[in-house]
Amino acid sequence: DGGITQSPKYLFRKEGQNVTLSCEQNLNHDAMYWYRQDPGQGLRLIYYSQIVNDFQKGDIAEGYSVSREKKESFPLTVTSAQKNPTAFYLCASSSFSNDGYTFGSGTRLTVV
Amino acid sequence: DAKTTQPTSMDCAEGRAANLPCNHSTISGNEYVYWYRQIHSQGPQYIIHGLKNNETNEMASLIITEDRKSSTLILPHATLRDTAVYYCIVRVGGNQGGKLIFGQGTELSVKP
Repeated sequence: DGGITQSPKYLFRKEGQNVTLSCEQNLNHDAMYWYRQDPGQGLRLIYYSQIVNDFQKGDIAEGYSVSREKKESFPLTVTSAQKNPTAFYLCASSSFSNDGYTFGSGTRLTVV
Repeated sequence: DAKTTQPTSMDCAEGRAANLPCNHSTISGNEYVYWYRQIHSQGPQYIIHGLKNNETNEMASLIITEDRKSSTLILPHATLRDTAVYYCIVRVGGNQGGKLIFGQGTELSVKP
């Protein structure tokens, strides 16, 4: 079955450490996205990529970095510069059509 | 970017129709209206989308006003499993891989 996979589901890190969240899709989608969700809030866009080797900042890119070396993969690194990294992180992908996004099941990051 | 306005919360009795309103008065002519829902701690799920005409699928119906300034998502026979946050989104950038900007959504509670 085609889908989008995020790993791990839960992640714990010490303050000051960089951490990379994985996102892989086998839907042959061109575009991929990273969102952050805080408790009781909507989703906020961090970064997105519409083509391999290219990506754009979303609304809250500070303290995050991404790469898009392969169509299938769009990893997100949460750096030590991110002031409040504890959150629920969601990855999504879409094709260049009117179809909706497909979301992964999310990674819950806790920094202690 | 076109924005949407939704009620913060709604209740619905099980088995009855749930009608979720959304205002998008600044929508552009080539922007689509998308609906997603998010069950607690999961990734959002695509429900339906439309441009001008009313749309129906196995999950829901979407009614868009003639002036396109508002729409209503209808769940015809709500069940307890429909309890979720429902997001109405206007797709920025038309239909060419435009990014989705999420608002706060409507928290729908389906009660027995």
